[in-house]
Amino acid sequence: DAGVIQSPRHEVTEMGQEVTLRCKPISGHDYLFWYRQTMMRGLELLIYFNNNVPIDDSGMPEDRFSAKMPNASFSTLKIQPSEPRDSAVYFCASSGHPTYQPQHFGDGTRLSIL
Amino acid sequence: QKEVEQNSGPLSVPEGAIASLNCTYSDRGSQSFFWYRQYSGKSPELIMFIYSNGDKEDGRFTAQLNKASQYVSLLIRDSQPSDSATYLCAVITNAGGTSYGKLTFGQGTILTVHP
Repeated sequence: DAGVIQSPRHEVTEMGQEVTLRCKPISGHDYLFWYRQTMMRGLELLIYFNNNVPIDDSGMPEDRFSAKMPNASFSTLKIQPSEPRDSAVYFCASSGHPTYQPQHFGDGTRLSIL
Repeated sequence: QKEVEQNSGPLSVPEGAIASLNCTYSDRGSQSFFWYRQYSGKSPELIMFIYSNGDKEDGRFTAQLNKASQYVSLLIRDSQPSDSATYLCAVITNAGGTSYGKLTFGQGTILTVHP
């Protein structure tokens, strides 16, 4: 079975540009999670969806960040405008039951904002 | 106090030894506990999960959970150089509200297994 698929794997762009990260969860998983990982803060949950509906976005750092899940097989995380402090690795993960089934991670997108 | 804390590391053990990784959590309502392994430049990979007090074994890995002490550990027997990675402890708490299913990670422990 295909795992969680993220694109792009690497993104380098200049400050102020719009960045869109994409994720395809594992088929049949009802929950989708977006994380950010940095050396200083570790892995942080940004937002998660259940059946395409955002449930908890308390981890979204500010209004420049937005996430959507238009259908069960696709989600985007958008940063507009981007800033150098947004540089990090962004992971998408999906799971079945969120408490009793583990989350499976995609390969991540390494984002560098110059 | 951080929600999930791991022994600071880095931890270095010789090949063939037992590596012991520890994690404590602050919320007594936590229900599910996971250990992930992350190689440098890669994504977290699930190693073990445990829900009930006691031990759970899977090959060379054993997870131990003590809810009374709010403590979960991972033992790696017969450690191999390929086990060298960062190990992340993660805990889910059902807050009964909007945080249902939220997975909180510790900072990770770097393990090095030297030949």
